[in-house]
Amino acid sequence: EAQVTQNPRYLITVTGKKLTVTCSQNMNHEYMSWYRQDPGLGLRQIYYSMNVEVTDKGDVPEGYKVSRKEKRNFPLILESPSPNQTSLYFCASSLARSGNEQFFGPGTRLTVL
Amino acid sequence: QKEVEQNSGPLSVPEGAIASLNCTYSDRGSQSFFWYRQYSGKSPELIMFIYSNGDKEDGRFTAQLNKASQYVSLLIRDSQPSDSATYLCAGTKAAGNKLTFGGGTRVLVKP
Repeated sequence: EAQVTQNPRYLITVTGKKLTVTCSQNMNHEYMSWYRQDPGLGLRQIYYSMNVEVTDKGDVPEGYKVSRKEKRNFPLILESPSPNQTSLYFCASSLARSGNEQFFGPGTRLTVL
Repeated sequence: QKEVEQNSGPLSVPEGAIASLNCTYSDRGSQSFFWYRQYSGKSPELIMFIYSNGDKEDGRFTAQLNKASQYVSLLIRDSQPSDSATYLCAGTKAAGNKLTFGGGTRVLVKP
């Protein structure tokens, strides 16, 4: 089954404790992206990657890191989480050609205390 | 000004009626537009995409694009309670896949 998976689905952590949210897709998509969704602010892009070893900042990259060492994986790293990073996070992937449908993962609900 | 704007709603429609959702965008370089449906706590799922001016129909859904007016709309015919969700409009430019989302319109279909 073609899908984007994220882990963990739910996470409660404390300020400053490094964490990683994993994202994996099995569709051989070149393009992957991370979004956060907050009430009243909608979906905002954090980072994206056009292919292996190619990443770039989205609209709200501060406080986040990513890496793309393999085509299928695109982990999101919070080196020192803060309460303002409490949010619902989505990973998405698509083929590289412009205008293609982005497939979203199930989401990760993160709470930083 | 946000790049993609939507009325947050809620848009309340009786069952069987037509729901009309609107979206405006500010970047004339935007080429492709997508409508996603998102149930509460779930991930967005694609309903329709449109690239060309005019109408595009798929089942009970019709997307309309007017690039001169920078306006995209989605019509849902014969609305059902299962259509109650938040509908996200998104646009992307000719180069690259960066999707810019509007804030979403919440739709409530009442039996």
